[in-house]
Amino acid sequence: QLQLQESGPGLLKPSETLSLTCSVSGGSIFRSSYYFGWIRQPPGKGLEWIGSIHFGGTTYYNPSLKSRITISVDTSKNQFSLRLNSVTAADTGVFYCARHGGIYLAAADFWGPGTRVIVSS
Amino acid sequence: QSVLTQPPSASGTPGQRVTISCSGSRSDIGNNYVYWYQQFPGTAPKLLIYENTQRPSGVPDRFSGSKSGSSASLAISGLRSEDEADYYCAAWDDSLSVRFGGGTKLTVL
Repeated sequence: QLQLQESGPGLLKPSETLSLTCSVSGGSIFRSSYYFGWIRQPPGKGLEWIGSIHFGGTTYYNPSLKSRITISVDTSKNQFSLRLNSVTAADTGVFYCARHGGIYLAAADFWGPGTRVIVSS
Repeated sequence: QSVLTQPPSASGTPGQRVTISCSGSRSDIGNNYVYWYQQFPGTAPKLLIYENTQRPSGVPDRFSGSKSGSSASLAISGLRSEDEADYYCAAWDDSLSVRFGGGTKLTVL
């Protein structure tokens, strides 16, 4: 059974860079036909797709966040990561990593439990 | 901001059939598959319906999805108290982005 687990700092100050890692177990990112991605959820609000990556390096980013995000993959560690620059209070929320259904990036069949991020001075 | 439009709330009594709508455009729902997610408070979303109408293994057949044009619907028949949750629709957009609906909070009365 595939399992995903997010990790990273839970508290940042405005203008800092958020770095999160998703560790994948029970399956390999390498040579997988699947994409892996990040989705976030502000407190009390809905889901927002951040971006996704394939082990080969192909990425798709949310246009509204594209200037601030980088998603990378480390196949040797079976992990993928998210960097979000210049965070503000509006970036506060729960960040989930997930496996997509192949190239169908609106499909996410395995999710991590989520990690809470708070941006506050 | 959400591009796919869902009603913020829905409700029903046990045993009833409830439908949740999801409205988009030709570039998202019109041209691509629709997916539905169920989320309980404090937990990660769970894939409920994929490719418009398909249920992953383990999802009861009380849940069904449909799509027509640039709109989609999730139907829950034989409503149970444990169905009380938030429901989200999602679809790929031809501009190379994933769109989620704003979510619908389902209350079982």
